[in-house]
Amino acid sequence: AQTVTQSQPEMSVQEAETVTLSCTYDTSESNYYLFWYKQPPSRQMILVIRQEAYKQQNATENRFSVNFQKAAKSFSLKISDSQLGDTAMYFCAFMKPDRTNAGKSTFGDGTTLTVKP
Amino acid sequence: NAGVTQTPKFQVLKTGQSMTLQCAQDMNHNSMYWYRQDPGMGLRLIYYSASEGTTDKGEVPNGYNVSRLNKREFSLRLESAAPSQTSVYFCATWPGTGIGNQPQHFGDGTRLSIL
Repeated sequence: AQTVTQSQPEMSVQEAETVTLSCTYDTSESNYYLFWYKQPPSRQMILVIRQEAYKQQNATENRFSVNFQKAAKSFSLKISDSQLGDTAMYFCAFMKPDRTNAGKSTFGDGTTLTVKP
Repeated sequence: NAGVTQTPKFQVLKTGQSMTLQCAQDMNHNSMYWYRQDPGMGLRLIYYSASEGTTDKGEVPNGYNVSRLNKREFSLRLESAAPSQTSVYFCATWPGTGIGNQPQHFGDGTRLSIL
């Protein structure tokens, strides 16, 4: 079974600065998907960014980018120019569709990010 | 709006009572999932349905049952609620591998408290 580890339970950053959230995972698979989700106090699960394991290029979405190191099984999220609205819990997730084509995801325990004015 | 709808949003039960959490999607996705989220933790998979007519156990299935009523609906039942089942429950959907690297789509969650 896959495991996902987020080693930083809580982090804080000043508005407009850059912060990096860490995620490591354990798998024997070679093809899989990785995701970062944001969960604000409203509890909604919002996709931030996605990465296919077969792609060497790191994904970027506006102020959000990842550092994907496949050999090291590491998938960190960098938030640039942090905004107050980025305050939320962030979850790293691993997905490997199985033979039944079910896209089950394994989630880390999350990092609570606080952006300070 | 298209999406995943969960009912109810909040529920308080007494130990031993039963209830069913409902989930409906209008995204035409094949797979559906039930997760629970305990305080300070990530989501853990309870049950899933890869396609209409199939259901399988996830990581924490004990104390729960599910029904994939049709392609749109996937319900989660607690037959005899226990305080350990106090949690926030999320339903999610996924279109399948033929659609590329799509993420799961989540409902807004049901906060369930068992006294």
